[in-house]
Amino acid sequence: NAGVTQTPKFQVLKTGQSMTLQCAQDMNHNSMYWYRQDPGMGLRLIYYSASEGTTDKGEVPNGYNVSRLNKREFSLRLESAAPSQTSVYFCASSAGGTTEAFFGQGTRLTVV
Amino acid sequence: GEDVEQSLFLSVREGDSSVINCTYTDSSSTYLYWYKQEPGAGLQLLTYIFSNMDMKQDQRLTVLLNKKDKHLSLRIADTQTGDSAIYFCAETSNDYKLSFGAGTTVTVRA
Repeated sequence: NAGVTQTPKFQVLKTGQSMTLQCAQDMNHNSMYWYRQDPGMGLRLIYYSASEGTTDKGEVPNGYNVSRLNKREFSLRLESAAPSQTSVYFCASSAGGTTEAFFGQGTRLTVV
Repeated sequence: GEDVEQSLFLSVREGDSSVINCTYTDSSSTYLYWYKQEPGAGLQLLTYIFSNMDMKQDQRLTVLLNKKDKHLSLRIADTQTGDSAIYFCAETSNDYKLSFGAGTTVTVRA
């Protein structure tokens, strides 16, 4: 089982460039999430999608957009990257409710 | 996040018990979780406890919940080098959002 797959694993962007982080899950989960992880701050929720066709803002949505393309895929877009968006980004999925969340391996993004 | 707090570092000798502590602020939390993150990897669920329980044991892991004080702890018995990782406390009070602590880096020394 692949579980949750994120691409790319590493990315370096220049300030102002745009990019899309891809995430796909093969567990038929309803809910998907994007988090960023920064030292000393744990994981902070950027956006989530409770079910196909819906998306909602999390704790730190500014500078990001998301698309729930279908039940499997949930992408995160940075329209104009800033150095403050240098972070490790994790996608996760769950069946919904309070069930276990499964995480991808992360994307390490550096904005210079 | 601000709603969940945990100490940042813990050093423990191999074979000893590790205790990682966490406090949370949301009294309506329904589930509380412990996740483990190994270097370069995503998070994996270790264990969880429902808010109406005060203890849960799973092999070397013991979770204690003091709901009155909003305090959660994870005890790892007979700590091994493979237990070196970052441990995250998390809580949810609704269906979709997990709030994470900053993570406790556990270092196991020989």
